[in-house]
Amino acid sequence: EVQLVESGGGLVQPGGSLRLSCVASGFPFNYYWMHWVRQVPGKGLVWVSRINSAGITTSHADSVKGRFTISRDNARNTLYLQMNSLRVEDTAVYYCARGNYGDFQFDSWGQGTLVTVSS
Amino acid sequence: QSALTQPASVSGSPGQSITISCSGTSSDVGAYNYVSWYQQHPGKAPKLMTYDVTNRPSGVSNRFSGSKSGNTASLTISGLQAEDEADYYCCSYTRSDTLVFGGGTKLTVL
Repeated sequence: EVQLVESGGGLVQPGGSLRLSCVASGFPFNYYWMHWVRQVPGKGLVWVSRINSAGITTSHADSVKGRFTISRDNARNTLYLQMNSLRVEDTAVYYCARGNYGDFQFDSWGQGTLVTVSS
Repeated sequence: QSALTQPASVSGSPGQSITISCSGTSSDVGAYNYVSWYQQHPGKAPKLMTYDVTNRPSGVSNRFSGSKSGNTASLTISGLQAEDEADYYCCSYTRSDTLVFGGGTKLTVL
């Protein structure tokens, strides 16, 4: 069974940093592109970042470019999102998702981890 | 990258069919067949319902079907059931090597 388990969310002050993790199991992690998607409670889904299977190429939404960095450790079956210079508007539930069917469609999702940016 | 445009809400009675539209541009929906639809129940993670415009993952009911014409994609749900009541999101790959979601549509089964 495919499982994605996020952790690392919490309360952080504006300007602070946080690193999210997503541990994958039940599938060959190093074969799949991975993504982060966020959702402000009560609002819509927003794509954040993606990384290719080897961890070499990445892409980020304009709203987080230069502040967030996606990475992965295939030996540990773990995806990361390093979030720096956090803003109040980054407050959201962050989901990791597996890319499939051409890498750009999300066939498995974690349960999400809540990040709250507030003073 | 602006969000794809979806109606905020749609509704239908059990047994009826409904269609949710997803309007994009020639840089996203119109450019690629990497268009997918997701169902999200309250408090739950999204679930993939269709991919590559028209395909359904294993286990998804054939009552769900996707289509595309030009810059607009659509999700049709036939034979509406109470369990279909949820939020639905479209998503597309873009020419900027990013992905963009629609704003979401709340489906109410009357």
